[in-house]
Amino acid sequence: KNEVEQSPQNLTAQEGEFITINCSYSVGISALHWLQQHPGGGIVSLFMLSSGKKKHGRLIATINIQEKHSSLHITASHPRDSAVYICAVRSRGAQKLVFGQGTRLTINP
Amino acid sequence: EAEVAQSPRYKITEKSQAVAFWCDPISGHATLYWYRQILGQGPELLVQFQDESVVDDSQLPKDRFSAERLKGVDSTLKIQPAELGDSAMYLCASSLIGQSSYEQYFGPGTRLTVT
Repeated sequence: KNEVEQSPQNLTAQEGEFITINCSYSVGISALHWLQQHPGGGIVSLFMLSSGKKKHGRLIATINIQEKHSSLHITASHPRDSAVYICAVRSRGAQKLVFGQGTRLTINP
Repeated sequence: EAEVAQSPRYKITEKSQAVAFWCDPISGHATLYWYRQILGQGPELLVQFQDESVVDDSQLPKDRFSAERLKGVDSTLKIQPAELGDSAMYLCASSLIGQSSYEQYFGPGTRLTVT
């Protein structure tokens, strides 16, 4: 079993829909990252969080440390949000990130 | 805005050939990471440098892969000889310091195809 599991693996939605991507992990962590990867490969960091909730524009990230679960929400989704969204965690006491397999999101106009 | 630079962006090579990738991190970033991302999967750490020293290379296939960061700035990742299974995206990232409170910044990646 992978340390970091994301669901769903693929998600297709219509423009304007509310999107939720989930991430579950099995180890104690010091931080969790949400990353966005567009076609072509470049990765952009969206959020880094260790508790609670963060919001940036239409994106919201939440984390429940007790349940070892995080969600990424996109409100009023747009075709430009189409990308792969990756969850990554840093275990307590470790330096490296462990990545989930990613969720491929497609928003249709 | 400062960015992590990587070259080449794309590389096609035949198996058994040698191939090298270059990364220039954001100025002042002491920590540099090389990741491999196989299609459909998340990135996997190959090697982490703190300045010029290797911090973690536990997942680096050392029989064919090597990495160096001689002056603690830019870095080179080499594969010799390349195998078909090495086809992947190779990503470089940097951060101010390799601790949980510091964000990693990724380069555009080098997509390697081994034929």
